[in-house]
Amino acid sequence: DARVTQTPRHKVTEMGQEVTMRCQPILGHNTVFWYRQTMMQGLELLAYFRNRAPLDDSGMPKDRFSAEMPDATLATLKIQPSEPRDSAVYFCASGLTTGTIRSEAFFGQGTRLTVV
Amino acid sequence: KNQVEQSPQSLIILEGKNCTLQCNYTVSPFSNLRWYKQDTGRGPVSLTIMTFSENTKSNGRYTATLDADTKQSSLHITASQLSDSASYICVVRSITGTASKLTFGTGTRLQVTL
Repeated sequence: DARVTQTPRHKVTEMGQEVTMRCQPILGHNTVFWYRQTMMQGLELLAYFRNRAPLDDSGMPKDRFSAEMPDATLATLKIQPSEPRDSAVYFCASGLTTGTIRSEAFFGQGTRLTVV
Repeated sequence: KNQVEQSPQSLIILEGKNCTLQCNYTVSPFSNLRWYKQDTGRGPVSLTIMTFSENTKSNGRYTATLDADTKQSSLHITASQLSDSASYICVVRSITGTASKLTFGTGTRLQVTL
């Protein structure tokens, strides 16, 4: 059963600490997205990758957030240092893009981050 | 500014009843519009996708409509079930050259009760 896997599911951390969230996209998918969801803002796109290359990270605060894809099976989102306003659910999604055809994005279950 | 507005913000209906959720957008240029269902504690799952030329698309008891002239979409749920309780999110994609951008609505929270 192919699915996007995110770890950890929940994370509580103190302000100032580094947080790393991981995502395993569906095997064969070449596009990976990171989203943040809060009650106030809804879903926001932070960054997305195609074939492991970052295509758009304009939604991501550059001073503290970084996103990487060390290999095709792992995407990471890091926050350093974390702040209480970073508390949110972070979703990873993956899809397959071939030429101009884009499949739907399949979402993971999210990482619920609480920064105290 | 590209925006996606959804209404109502929340809705409670009795099981078996129908309901319609609205999505108005100002995103341009328009590429496609998706409706997602998000259960509590889960990631969003795509229900329908419509391009400019499509007016209606169905997925079981879910029927989405699109009026690209007035920039409005609706999601109609027929014979609601308890399992329809979720947030429904409207997402509009715009493509300019090779750049693709998604604009999300803040969702409608639907609760189906007995």
